[in-house]
Amino acid sequence: GENVEQHPSTLSVQEGDSAVIKCTYSDSASNYFPWYKQELGKRPQLIIDIRSNVGEKKDQRIAVTLNKTAKHFSLHITETQPEDSAVYFCAASNDMRFGAGTRLTVKP
Amino acid sequence: EAGVAQSPRYKIIEKRQSVAFWCNPISGHATLYWYQQILGQGPKLLIQFQNNGVVDDSQLPKDRFSAERLKGVDSTLKIQPAKLEDSAVYLCASSLGQPLHFGNGTRLTVT
Repeated sequence: GENVEQHPSTLSVQEGDSAVIKCTYSDSASNYFPWYKQELGKRPQLIIDIRSNVGEKKDQRIAVTLNKTAKHFSLHITETQPEDSAVYFCAASNDMRFGAGTRLTVKP
Repeated sequence: EAGVAQSPRYKIIEKRQSVAFWCNPISGHATLYWYQQILGQGPKLLIQFQNNGVVDDSQLPKDRFSAERLKGVDSTLKIQPAKLEDSAVYLCASSLGQPLHFGNGTRLTVT
């Protein structure tokens, strides 16, 4: 199955700064890359996703970029707010294996 | 639309006991997943169903875990016998292609 690695495991930023989380994958056939946000005690919820025929996708303060050649994709959050504090997970393609997660803390 | 329903929300059992979890996916979703999420870790895929057939169960500890989706709708996940290391949140998710929609999970504590 797909092997997904996620970095960093923890990330602390000041409110208003940007945050970047990176994932690498192993299966070159993977063609779908979602990002989920999980708040404490809650279920993971999709925040953005990208397909392999697109290099970048943006939704307000959140963007995802994909480099198929290097087999990595990244989540970018700009103008971070305290409510962005959560654990973020990436996943790759059809067998939907998740990365280990990044705990993002936004300090006011 | 109604989301993915899971029950129970919480379960506490002693080691070596048995336990079962139930999941009702979003109506019309052909694909159903069971994940195990240990505290502080990412969701680990246990099994994936496409309708009532198993697509991937390579990470399911088959000596103690079993799952079924007999009519291609609801699914149950069973652990028999439970071990301390099975303490986790068990998440069910469903999809019609992508993306996955998760239920609220069942938090299992094995003592």
